[in-house]
Amino acid sequence: NAGVMQNPRHLVRRRGQEARLRCSPMKGHSHVYWYRQLPEEGLKFMVYLQKENIIDESGMPKERFSAEFPKEGPSILRIQQVVRGDSAAYFCASSRGLALNTGELFFGEGSRLTVL
Amino acid sequence: GENVEQHPSTLSVQEGDSAVIKCTYSDSASNYFPWYKQELGKRPQLIIDIRSNVGEKKDQRIAVTLNKTAKHFSLHITETQPEDSAVYFCAATGANSKLTFGKGITLSVRP
Repeated sequence: NAGVMQNPRHLVRRRGQEARLRCSPMKGHSHVYWYRQLPEEGLKFMVYLQKENIIDESGMPKERFSAEFPKEGPSILRIQQVVRGDSAAYFCASSRGLALNTGELFFGEGSRLTVL
Repeated sequence: GENVEQHPSTLSVQEGDSAVIKCTYSDSASNYFPWYKQELGKRPQLIIDIRSNVGEKKDQRIAVTLNKTAKHFSLHITETQPEDSAVYFCAATGANSKLTFGKGITLSVRP
């Protein structure tokens, strides 16, 4: 089992460009979570998705950010018109079922976005 | 929504001593409390978790205690070793299954 796979691991964008971050959950996992981590800060919840559905997006900024988890393929976190404040590590995590019931969230290695 | 707080933000202990990290949460409906360890530049990894029907859980040198009445839970590490140096995050989740993390505590174990 390859674990949660995120790519790219490092991404550099100029202000105004778009960033696309991909996450393939562990095999058999249908629940995906995205978190943002700023330097020396905690993990801030962004969005929780199941296949083809957004379950909770209460942590997503209202503009420029979107997420999807299609029936086929990885989950994608998309940031349009990036600004310097978007520079952060973006972690994806997956679970077999509801974290409440099945426990552990497995995290990927993160995608580190730098906006110049 | 849930609010999880960790204090202090840093903790330094001598190798071999015990370390205790405390967290509080706000949502009385939360019933799952994991602890994650994150080494520099690495992914967060689960080290222990506890559910609200249990007051204490132990795994070798690591233990977690939960006080639902006071809404706080603690991580206990005994016989600390330099490789225990990392950032430790507590988290809580309730009916919506969204895991809310504290800001993390940086533990330094001095050789």
